[in-house]
Amino acid sequence: DAGVIQSPRHEVTEMGQEVTLRCKPISGHDYLFWYRQTMMRGLELLIYFNNNVPIDDSGMPEDRFSAKMPNASFSTLKIQPSEPRDSAVYFCASSPRHTGELFFGEGSRLTVL
Amino acid sequence: SQKIEQNSEALNIQEGKTATLTCNYTNYSPAYLQWYRQDPGRGPVFLLLIRENEKEKRKERLKVTFDTTLKQSLFHITASQPADSATYLCALATNNAGNMLTFGGGTRLMVKP
Repeated sequence: DAGVIQSPRHEVTEMGQEVTLRCKPISGHDYLFWYRQTMMRGLELLIYFNNNVPIDDSGMPEDRFSAKMPNASFSTLKIQPSEPRDSAVYFCASSPRHTGELFFGEGSRLTVL
Repeated sequence: SQKIEQNSEALNIQEGKTATLTCNYTNYSPAYLQWYRQDPGRGPVFLLLIRENEKEKRKERLKVTFDTTLKQSLFHITASQPADSATYLCALATNNAGNMLTFGGGTRLMVKP
């Protein structure tokens, strides 16, 4: 398996623009997680899905952030409008089972100018 | 809320020595605890999972201990090599369902030849 695939790997945008990050989880994994990593706050859980259904989005910072999982092989994290404080590395991870280990993608590095 | 503490200072050791990293948590003991490795510019990679009823777990040169009385996990790398240089993250579940992982800030390990 190719592992968790994220795109784009790098995104530079200007404040106010819409940003869409994409994730393809490992086939057969029932859980999908979106994390954000910064030097100041480390790895923070934003939202997770089970069988394509959002289960907990308490980590989503504000209404500018939204996530969807239209099918088992695709998820998006959207920021609209983006702000400089959203600059971070966004990771997608999938897991084959409850309490199982997480398989992370390589991340999408977002810079908002 | 659960707080996870890892030594934020880098750990520098000589090749061949044993590296010991610490993970402390503040509140309830989780059902299990996980350790991940992260290289610069990459996503975290799962290493080991230890359950609350397990005192110790080993995998090749890696050993993890879990002391629910001290609320602490120790991560050991024996016969360390320069290739072991990375940031090591501990993670534990912070929800009742046991599948929302919260990560510590990580400890950077540098193994010098």
